[in-house]
Amino acid sequence: QKEVEQDPGPLSVPEGAIVSLNCTYSNSAFQYFMWYRQYSRKGPELLMYTYSSGNKEDGRFTAQVDKSSKYISLFIRDSQPSDSATYLCAMILNTGGFKTIFGAGTRLFVKA
Amino acid sequence: DVKVTQSSRYLVKRTGEKVFLECVQDMDHENMFWYRQDPGLGLRLIYFSYDVKMKEKGDIPEGYSVSREKKERFSLILESASTNQTSMYLCASSQPPGGVNYGYTFGSGTRLTVV
Repeated sequence: QKEVEQDPGPLSVPEGAIVSLNCTYSNSAFQYFMWYRQYSRKGPELLMYTYSSGNKEDGRFTAQVDKSSKYISLFIRDSQPSDSATYLCAMILNTGGFKTIFGAGTRLFVKA
Repeated sequence: DVKVTQSSRYLVKRTGEKVFLECVQDMDHENMFWYRQDPGLGLRLIYFSYDVKMKEKGDIPEGYSVSREKKERFSLILESASTNQTSMYLCASSQPPGGVNYGYTFGSGTRLTVV
């Protein structure tokens, strides 16, 4: 079993839809949680970073962490064609040193 | 605008060649990383460094080595390139986790093809 599971998609939605992207994890020692967006032929860029259970909002993006269920989500409101990208979740273990584990990424298409 | 710069976007090398991938960051970050990204496998950590002249093996170090002579520069070396090293290589830098603005800053990647 992978430490971080993420559905690869692809996920296709119409413009304006609410998008829900999810990751599950198995290790309760994960402390920090991040979402990255990666456009084609580019490196990933950080979207959201959080370290506690609950919601964190930034514009049209909301990151949600449920540590009891070992589940994180990224919601995109009023999705736009420019949101079409691959979204990677990432989590950090603190085991003396810090280790980041990435999900495999979900490919999102937003149709105009 | 903070940046991680990788020296080449596309590279084609022959089997057996020694290949150098260069990465420079201008953010004074302590930590630097090299990943490869392959379809279906996601990002896999090759090597990382928490300080100058320091290096640690990641999950897939075989066939690779690294050099960090200066804080801003982290080089990945393929000692003898093989076709199974054809991949997208991503360099990243960060401060230690826990700060308000923690996160990796990635370069744009180097698409390496070994023929």
